[in-house]
Amino acid sequence: GAVVSQHPSWVICKSGTSVKIECRSLDFQATTMFWYRQFPKQSLMLMATSNEGSKATYEQGVEKDKFLINHASLTLSTLTVTSAHPEDSSFYICSATTELNTEAFFGQGTRLTVV
Amino acid sequence: GENVEQHPSTLSVQEGDSAVIKCTYSDSASNYFPWYKQELGKGPQLIIDIRSNVGEKKDQRIAVTLNKTAKHFSLHITETQPEDSAVYFCAEGEHGGSQGNLIFGKGTKLSVKP
Repeated sequence: GAVVSQHPSWVICKSGTSVKIECRSLDFQATTMFWYRQFPKQSLMLMATSNEGSKATYEQGVEKDKFLINHASLTLSTLTVTSAHPEDSSFYICSATTELNTEAFFGQGTRLTVV
Repeated sequence: GENVEQHPSTLSVQEGDSAVIKCTYSDSASNYFPWYKQELGKGPQLIIDIRSNVGEKKDQRIAVTLNKTAKHFSLHITETQPEDSAVYFCAEGEHGGSQGNLIFGKGTKLSVKP
């Protein structure tokens, strides 16, 4: 099946700094990528939908200026958490759909810890 | 808005027994229903999915059933093994459009005891 690679798998940063997470589709072109956040023992909550070459669509309650999403190519989307705070600590997961839009493939997730 | 209810939240079975997880949804326009398995510290992995034009789909020990009239779908795992222990999420595809835009259930933690 299609492979989605997320990097880094974990990161620790200081409060006030920014962190960038990459999501790559390794063997297919991802027309659409999705970013989710998952708190411990909870479900995945969609943060934003990203289409290549256009601005991301954010879900209600998600600050677009804090969670910057860039989808510059069909194989790469990035999520930058700006001015991170401890409450931003979470598991961030991306997914991507192929041009056929038949199913979503998930990355392995990034554990962000803000200290 | 769209909502997916998943039950039970935890499920413990003996190795070799069957496990059933049920989900209900509210959006009658949804037509894509995947199930994901998530192991600790990892991203979700698709294990089986079903589209609204069929009522049942099976892949070895895993099966999914869909009742569109009642708006519920279920995951069935037979002959469970310890390695089946994980958190399982159901999801629905929003409005049958982009299959990647999914609404997830809250998850079921399955424990298979040897």
